[in-house]
Amino acid sequence: SAVISQKPSRDICQRGTSLTIQCQVDSQVTMMFWYRQQPGQSLTLIATANQGSEATYESGFVIDKFPISRPNLTFSTLTVSNMSPEDSSIYLCSVLTPMAGDGNTQYFGPGTRLTVL
Amino acid sequence: SQQGEEDPQALSIQEGENATMNCSYKTSINNLQWYRQNSGRGLVHLILIRSNEREKHSGRLRVTLDTSKKSSSLLITASRAADTASYFCATLNDYKLSFGAGTTVTVRA
Repeated sequence: SAVISQKPSRDICQRGTSLTIQCQVDSQVTMMFWYRQQPGQSLTLIATANQGSEATYESGFVIDKFPISRPNLTFSTLTVSNMSPEDSSIYLCSVLTPMAGDGNTQYFGPGTRLTVL
Repeated sequence: SQQGEEDPQALSIQEGENATMNCSYKTSINNLQWYRQNSGRGLVHLILIRSNEREKHSGRLRVTLDTSKKSSSLLITASRAADTASYFCATLNDYKLSFGAGTTVTVRA
């Protein structure tokens, strides 16, 4: 398994501002992912972040709103830009890791709880 | 995007009882996984079942998978107060996970 940390763990921001969330993994991984979990909802994939290439965004998410960096194999950032109250969510990063004999799975960071006023 | 549904949405049981929750999905999968989330925190990986497996055990957890019905179930036996959490199934297709809506389990002492 992988140990994943996220910063900040929570933040309260004003509308119109931007917040950058950091995700650090204790081992080198090829694929990292960013998810959003709106209040009381399940997780929705925002984008896949691969080192050395641009992130791949899911339908409904765009780079201008959620720019992502992946400078190396252990680190990624997600920026939530020009925030509105609708962006209030938990943002989680995850990494794809092979499980011996079982195929691939994803391990998740502790999440960043964002409140936009 | 969310691929499937889970039922029930919420479940309240007495400590020591068993908790069963179900998950349905729509497309072919590589494997199906169950996660637990405590109070809006990070997800903890519980168990993975491959598409060619029908049943798997891990401690007090038992997972079944029926690919013909595109459904899975998670059974937690002898529940404890610490099992109070939201439980999500997620299907892996290629490298992407698609999550169900989740079941909120409350275990009463």
